[in-house]
Amino acid sequence: KNQVEQSPQSLIILEGKNCTLQCNYTVSPFSNLRWYKQDTGRGPVSLTIMTFSENTKSNGRYTATLDADTKQSSLHITASQLSDSASYICVVLEAAGNKLTFGGGTRVLVKP
Amino acid sequence: GAGVSQSPSNKVTEKGKDVELRCDPISGHTALYWYRQSLGQGLEFLIYFQGNSAPDKSGLPSDRFSAERTGGSVSTLTIQRTQQEDSAVYLCASSVGTSRTYEQYFGPGTRLTVT
Repeated sequence: KNQVEQSPQSLIILEGKNCTLQCNYTVSPFSNLRWYKQDTGRGPVSLTIMTFSENTKSNGRYTATLDADTKQSSLHITASQLSDSASYICVVLEAAGNKLTFGGGTRVLVKP
Repeated sequence: GAGVSQSPSNKVTEKGKDVELRCDPISGHTALYWYRQSLGQGLEFLIYFQGNSAPDKSGLPSDRFSAERTGGSVSTLTIQRTQQEDSAVYLCASSVGTSRTYEQYFGPGTRLTVT
């Protein structure tokens, strides 16, 4: 069964600090990998989309990396802000079957 | 333009009652998706519409769940004889194309509580 596992489940960081979220997947072959940000009470919003041939993509203070060989991705948040407090969801699109598999998310809390 | 909207934002219902959840996708978006997000869980795919037809209903958990889309726009997810395990946030998303490679834009969700 294709899976997407994220770690840690939650973390607390101080405003201004950096953090890195991990995503391991077993989906293969895959078409693309996405990171979403979900604020409390809202729907997910796309941060980055990477195909299997890309190994890094940035969106402002968010930088996603992808290692298709080890089937790992990470999302790095630089100089965190209070507004970064949210859940971050890793999603993998299967190349065959056109199916999205969602990770359980990492809940980030940024404290002043 | 306007994003994906969903109504109601919150719904509390008694066990055994039927509920209808509505999704208004972004105008012109061909594809529409329904997902369920239970507390502390990842998103669970329910059903996918391409225009008014639903080529993938594989995620619907039981025959108590159904959905329709009319005019290639508004979609309604209906849950009959609700159970407590149906309590979750129901999210709708739409995309401009029918392949799942296209970006999906999510609505704010409907929080359903079955008492």
